[in-house]
Amino acid sequence: AAGVIQSPRHLIKEKRETATLKCYPISRHDTVYWYQQGPGQDPQFLISFYEKMQSDKGSIPDRFSAQQFSDYHSELNMSSLELGDSALYFCASSLTNSPLHFGNGTRLTVT
Amino acid sequence: AQSVTQLDSHVSVSEGTPVLLRCNYSSSYSPSLFWYVQHPNKGLQLLLKYTSAATLVKGINGFEAEFKKSETSFHLTKPSAHMSDAAEYFCDTLSLNSGYSTLTFGKGTMLLVSP
Repeated sequence: AAGVIQSPRHLIKEKRETATLKCYPISRHDTVYWYQQGPGQDPQFLISFYEKMQSDKGSIPDRFSAQQFSDYHSELNMSSLELGDSALYFCASSLTNSPLHFGNGTRLTVT
Repeated sequence: AQSVTQLDSHVSVSEGTPVLLRCNYSSSYSPSLFWYVQHPNKGLQLLLKYTSAATLVKGINGFEAEFKKSETSFHLTKPSAHMSDAAEYFCDTLSLNSGYSTLTFGKGTMLLVSP
């Protein structure tokens, strides 16, 4: 079965630019999560959506926003990029109260 | 609130020897606990999960974990390490916020396997 798909796999941006990361959850999963993993760090929860509505919010900067569309894919929009935003961004999907299934992540490098 | 503590940042073993990765949890009720593995530059893969059906949980790749309520522990074990087990392992729990669950990661334990 297809897993969580994230695109792009790698992204290089300059400071102050914007970036959009995409996530396609597993079919019929009702919840999507975004995590940020800095170099040598554990993944930090950013935001989640349940049935296209924001369900929880973690340490997501105000410069970032996310949404889930009618086809359940989600996008993480990042503006005014900073060097510290360089990280691996994971998307995960799940059914309610079931284990999360993670994508392979998007590696964002800000120069 | 539920949380997990991974007691070791690094664990080194020799190939063929047992693996023990320690995780303690704090929760006022029966938690949902997970172990995820992350190989270098890869995504996070679910190893196993505990959801109160059985205290000894078997996962993929020969790993298992035992839920011990008296010790508030959920340690990950494997009888014999393989070189391919070298990776970072995260103990996680589901936290509930306003009825929605969020996965909270431990700090991770890097498993190093030497020949």
